[in-house]
Amino acid sequence: EAGVAQSPRYKIIEKRQSVAFWCNPISGHATLYWYQQILGQGPKLLIQFQNNGVVDDSQLPKDRFSAERLKGVDSTLKIQPAKLEDSAVYLCASSSLLGGADTQYFGPGTRLTVL
Amino acid sequence: KNEVEQSPQNLTAQEGEFITINCSYSVGISALHWLQQHPGGGIVSLFMLSSGKKKHGRLIATINIQEKHSSLHITASHPRDSAVYICAVRRIQGAQKLVFGQGTRLTINP
Repeated sequence: EAGVAQSPRYKIIEKRQSVAFWCNPISGHATLYWYQQILGQGPKLLIQFQNNGVVDDSQLPKDRFSAERLKGVDSTLKIQPAKLEDSAVYLCASSSLLGGADTQYFGPGTRLTVL
Repeated sequence: KNEVEQSPQNLTAQEGEFITINCSYSVGISALHWLQQHPGGGIVSLFMLSSGKKKHGRLIATINIQEKHSSLHITASHPRDSAVYICAVRRIQGAQKLVFGQGTRLTINP
């Protein structure tokens, strides 16, 4: 079974530029998560999708971050414009049960550096 | 104060030692997860617990719901166990998202 795929693995941009990350969850997984992990901290949930609907985006900085999962499969996370404090690893995860109340499977992450 | 606190933050030990990592939480939970994160970012789920104890190979996870505390033990530690170990809880109340601890960086020297 293929795992959660993410691209790119690394991205370096200057502040005020835009960037987009892509995630393809495990086939058949209804729930998809985007996390932000700043160096030395645990992951923080940015947004949770159930199929193509948003379940929780309470910690997503909506003035600059956006995410979509149009067909309930893969997802993109965009930052526009980026700030220095957005430097982090962006992790995508998926789980099979609706509501996500089971094991989450994580992708390798995208390491973003904002200069 | 964070809802999930781990200790220690950093742990260095010699190969073969018995390792204990602790997690305390302050909210009602439906489940607690232990996760392993290797350099490069990939996270692997080790255990999901709602009561008692689970064992997988050299790893043992326990949880005490009344005391709001969980421990992850590694027996006969090996350098390949070097990683960051993260505790995460799923709250009963409110949005059922995972809340993560800050992680414990474990280094096992040969």
